[in-house]
Amino acid sequence: EPEVTQTPSHQVTQMGQEVILRCVPISNHLYFYWYRQILGQKVEFLVSFYNNEISEKSEIFDDQFSVERPDGSNFTLKIRSTKLEDSAMYFCASSVFPSDTEAFFGQGTRLTVV
Amino acid sequence: RKEVEQDPGPFNVPEGATVAFNCTYSNSASQSFFWYRQDCRKEPKLLMSVYSSGNEDGRFTAQLNRASQYISLLIRDSKLSDSATYLCVLNTDKLIFGTGTRLQVFP
Repeated sequence: EPEVTQTPSHQVTQMGQEVILRCVPISNHLYFYWYRQILGQKVEFLVSFYNNEISEKSEIFDDQFSVERPDGSNFTLKIRSTKLEDSAMYFCASSVFPSDTEAFFGQGTRLTVV
Repeated sequence: RKEVEQDPGPFNVPEGATVAFNCTYSNSASQSFFWYRQDCRKEPKLLMSVYSSGNEDGRFTAQLNRASQYISLLIRDSKLSDSATYLCVLNTDKLIFGTGTRLQVFP
């Protein structure tokens, strides 16, 4: 069964450092997303991406965040200067269409900022 | 008002019990509704879509009441493996998650 894969599974970084979280969406999917989940809280939308550009972003997705699809398969989330409050589980997801169809989630990257 | 509201639980039920979860939403323009399941420290996984006519998948039944902006999930004959957090989710071209309702099924 096709799946979304994310690397690394766990990343520890020092405050102020840049991190890049990587995702390989399902190959025939067109819409890509990043969500995050702070421990004990709900899953929150960060950004959606379609046709090589951002479709929508939340208030959380400020200038410290960026996304890229550098080649035909990878989809990355970069945090330029990490803060302690960026510590969370980051989930990548992909779907064929933006609505009415299932979004498949990767296993997540646990980011710990120290 | 929160976009999606759920009772956080936990619901502690014995095996074989029937349990129901409710969810209310504030965005009347929401088109698609889902229940996702999330195990501890894992990714959300789609359990089922929710349709106005109601839909059933084995032991699981979902209902949508657009007039009341209310969604429900019924689990019959609970199994130990049903223990998880159940997430009420709206799709407005992005997924909007509720905080989830935690279910613990005990022997």
